[in-house]
Order: sequence, then structure tokens, then C-alpha cells
Amino acid sequence: GESVGLHLPTLSVQEGDNSIINCAYSNSASDYFIWYKQESGKGPQFIIDIRSNMDKRQGQRVTVLLNKTVKHLSLQIAATQPGDSAVYFCAESSNSGYALNFGKGTSLLVTP
Amino acid sequence: EPEVTQTPSHQVTQMGQEVILRCVPISNHLYFYWYRQILGQKVEFLVSFYNNEISEKSEIFDDQFSVERPDGSNFTLKIRSTKLEDSAMYFCASLLTRGVTEAFFGQGTRLTVV
Repeated sequence: GESVGLHLPTLSVQEGDNSIINCAYSNSASDYFIWYKQESGKGPQFIIDIRSNMDKRQGQRVTVLLNKTVKHLSLQIAATQPGDSAVYFCAESSNSGYALNFGKGTSLLVTP
Repeated sequence: EPEVTQTPSHQVTQMGQEVILRCVPISNHLYFYWYRQILGQKVEFLVSFYNNEISEKSEIFDDQFSVERPDGSNFTLKIRSTKLEDSAMYFCASLLTRGVTEAFFGQGTRLTVV
């Protein structure tokens, strides 16, 4: 079936470096792509989203890039901080309000 | 900041028993969801609820599951006869309205079926 998946299960970066988390998707009909952060013992927390008619969107210290040609999504975190350590999930939805289809998650570990 | 609250935080139940997981979504939100996450795995969609009815459900959400919004503030997930494989973290989420994508998730209820 359609899936959203992640290239790497774990990523370790040094504090202050930039992080890039990647995600591949297969559903061409997806309209929204969203990144969520999940800290230990907590529910997923929205970070940023991008619609399928865009290729880049920036937030505070985060940038999401969408490449529809190769069905690839990435999350870039600038100047990674220890508080960024968490599991990051990409998710897709065919429309706002509809079910989120989550990928498997990448664990980001920020070392001092 | 408004938040989605879930109770209990941890529920242990015997196989075959009924459980009810409770959620209080953010008060002005219109869309409500249940997701589950088996330990170490991805978050999986169960059901969405809008205008007092189910709007979408996954294959996981079979007739052992039901949802209800009994009083305009609580949103519940009932599992009629729990199985071992129902053990997971269950997350409730709410969304303000169509046209936005920022769904707010609760802290989750860890369900352990023994």
C-alpha cells in the first residue's frame, strides 16, 4: 500500500551543527506533508507543514523541502540544540482534516 | 496554552476486558482523532470524528472499537474486548478546523493488556 518512510532510523549531531532528516513518500495524491517531533513520554508535536504545491517552507530554525519529482521530503534544523533531541516523524495527508499517515521516525541525538 | 488532556496515563487490563480511554480535546476544536503507537513503531491512525460522527477510520478500527463524544467536551475510545495486541500508547488529537494542519496531540494513554 501507500507508505511514508524514513531513510535513517538514527541521527547523531553535535550541538550547533545543522541537522537534516529525510523522508520518502509514495502517495502522489498527498496534499500536505507535516513534520512532528516526539519527545520521550510525550505525544507528537507539530513542527512545520508544507503543501504539495510548494517546494520549500521556512519556520523558526527549521526548513522543510519537498521534491515531488523523487517524492522526497526533508527537515533541516539549523544550529541544533540539546532540546532538539527527539524522534522526528514525517506524515502525509490527502487533505487538511484527514487522517495523518506517519512514517517510522528518525531518532535525533544532539551531543554536546 | 490550550492542550489536549488524556486520562488515565496508564491503564492495565486483563485480556477480554473492556476499556475506555478518555480525552478532553481543545475546547474550540472541531475535529478529533485517535491514533495508536505500538512500542518502537510508528504512529498509526485509528479514527477521525467530526460533527458527532466518524468521518474516517482505518482497518485497525474494527467493530471492537467505538468512539463517542458524550457531553460536548469528552471524547472517548472504547475497546470492547481487549487483546494482547491492543497493548500500545493511544493518542488523542484535535484540530481546529479544515484548512489548518496543526493537530494537537495529548500525552497519551499507555494501555497494557495482560
